[in-house]
Amino acid sequence: DSGVTQTPKHLITATGQRVTLRCSPRSGDLSVYWYQQSLDQGLQFLIQYYNGEERAKGNILERFSAQQFPDLHSELNLSSLELGDSALYFCASSVARWDYNEQFFGPGTRLTVL
Amino acid sequence: GQQLNQSPQSMFIQEGEDVSMNCTSSSIFNTWLWYKQDPGEGPVLLIALYKAGELTSNGRLTAQFGITRKDSFLNISASIPSDVGIYFCAGPIQGAQKLVFGQGTRLTINP
Repeated sequence: DSGVTQTPKHLITATGQRVTLRCSPRSGDLSVYWYQQSLDQGLQFLIQYYNGEERAKGNILERFSAQQFPDLHSELNLSSLELGDSALYFCASSVARWDYNEQFFGPGTRLTVL
Repeated sequence: GQQLNQSPQSMFIQEGEDVSMNCTSSSIFNTWLWYKQDPGEGPVLLIALYKAGELTSNGRLTAQFGITRKDSFLNISASIPSDVGIYFCAGPIQGAQKLVFGQGTRLTINP
């Protein structure tokens, strides 16, 4: 158990819908990272927040957005969903602003778009 | 952009066998990371390499940072059933606060 929690574990929805994925970082961690993992693919970095502020952006679509709240939990919002958005979405957290070797990953949310 | 290519994509071995996999890039990396992902779980960091030529072990796992800084290798000795999973290499992109991951090597072990 990494200490990072993600909810829900599974999510099934239809095209065109909007969903929100939630992540609670490890206690004391200020950075949250979001990744997308499509079937049999590596992880693609989406976005990072540090202490409530966006710090880095990856290949995140305009239909996707995220935020980090004062209690440091983060939400990833996916809208106008398409079939190709079906994937595992992972959240990771670290203490500092940029800790590439100290990112602890949550168990992921599996999103299925029908 | 910087991309990591892992090979092989999948491996089917017998329990007890040694395993070798590698990760290559057309760009130089200053750090190489190896992760393992169990089914239904998030990736877990196995080994981090920070210096060209470095050889680091973690139990039965040994990883090496290639001299050219464009490749890295992971070896698993005397494989056991719990080694099953997907192994990813990753590295930080220079000048950006983000990691790039390889596509993974899926390891399957026949008892």
